[in-house]
Amino acid sequence: NAGVMQNPRHLVRRRGQEARLRCSPMKGHSHVYWYRQLPEEGLKFMVYLQKENIIDESGMPKERFSAEFPKEGPSILRIQQVVRGDSAAYFCASSTSVGRNQPQHFGDGTRLSIL
Amino acid sequence: GQQVMQIPQYQHVQEGEDFTTYCNSSTTLSNIQWYKQRPGGHPVFLIQLVKSGEVKKQKRLTFQFGEAKKNSSRHITATQTTDVGTYFCAGQVPSYDKVIFGPGTSLSVIP
Repeated sequence: NAGVMQNPRHLVRRRGQEARLRCSPMKGHSHVYWYRQLPEEGLKFMVYLQKENIIDESGMPKERFSAEFPKEGPSILRIQQVVRGDSAAYFCASSTSVGRNQPQHFGDGTRLSIL
Repeated sequence: GQQVMQIPQYQHVQEGEDFTTYCNSSTTLSNIQWYKQRPGGHPVFLIQLVKSGEVKKQKRLTFQFGEAKKNSSRHITATQTTDVGTYFCAGQVPSYDKVIFGPGTSLSVIP
């Protein structure tokens, strides 16, 4: 069973460009979570999605950031007009459900660097 | 809002020593999970505790869930250099559709 797949592993963007981060959950998982992690810091929750629905986006900045999890294809975290402060590791995790006490399985992350 | 705290934030341990770290929630949890993240890696699920007072062992690690289901501990015996990393606890609040991660305890081992 393939794990959570994130791509790209590393992404370099210049200020003002757009960054698109992709996440394919584990087979059979319908819940996806996105986290941001700065060096030497913890995981900051951003958004929780189920297929075609955003369940909780309380951790996501109101501007420039958006996320989707379409019926077909990977979940996408999109950052428009990137700024230096967006440089971080972005992790995606998936689970079968929350209510059934299922653990989250993490991908390798995307390291985003803004020049 | 709900918060999950971890103590200590940093732990420097001599190889071979035992030590315990703690995870405390501001509210009762339905379950608690522990994850380990190696330097440069991604968080990996270690274990889940569901019942009040539950104790689970995993090789040299012992995890406990408090009686009130608001705190948890992780005890490690005979620390090895391979234990280096950041250990996160994550609590699920009943009827709240999200798992809340603590800030982590970063472990370094002195050979």
